Amino acid sequence: AQSVTQLGSHVSVSEGALVLLRCNYSSSVPPYLFWYVQYPNQGLQLLLKYTTGATLVKGINGFEAEFKKSETSFHLTKPSAHMSDAAEYFCAVKPLEAAGNKLTFGGGTRVLVKP
Amino acid sequence: DTGVSQDPRHKITKRGQNVTFRCDPISEHNRLYWYRQTLGQGPEFLTYFQNEAQLEKSRLLSDRFSAERPKGSFSTLEIQRTEQGDSAMYLCASSLGAGADTQYFGPGTRLTVL
Repeated sequence: AQSVTQLGSHVSVSEGALVLLRCNYSSSVPPYLFWYVQYPNQGLQLLLKYTTGATLVKGINGFEAEFKKSETSFHLTKPSAHMSDAAEYFCAVKPLEAAGNKLTFGGGTRVLVKP
Repeated sequence: DTGVSQDPRHKITKRGQNVTFRCDPISEHNRLYWYRQTLGQGPEFLTYFQNEAQLEKSRLLSDRFSAERPKGSFSTLEIQRTEQGDSAMYLCASSLGAGADTQYFGPGTRLTVL
């Protein structure tokens, strides 16, 4: 079974500083990879996803993530944090085979942005 | 652009009561998913429909839980004889296809069982 590990349940950054959220997956075959953001009392919104091709993926709101097969990682970064980035972020995976449809999520990382 | 909608947004019930939640997916999306999210955790998969067929169920979906999608459009999730452990956010998502297709999430229904 696939699993997703997000290192650090809480991250605190200063406004304007780099945001780095870590995600590692366990799977014998690299899956599809996703990052979602969840604002308080709201559903999840897709930030970006990796399917095939270029390993550096750009998403919305200035976020990007890099797929590293050798490290089984898909870390999320943003060069300069904004107050509006305060939210919870979830990494998720989905197997490549057609029968696999469910997303498996990590435990989430809550980001606090300090002024 | 109409996204995924869920109703109600909040539900408070007493232990032992039955509750039903509704999800309206994005029109033309033939795949619909239910997830459960407890406080401080990531969402966990419950079940999945392709059109009206329920194709996969998680072991988390005990016999007190039932989901339907009768006409391949909206879906309902019913919990019978609710327990305090059922308190969670219930999220619905839909996608156009499988594979790498994005799952779009609704705002969720927050259930509190007293």
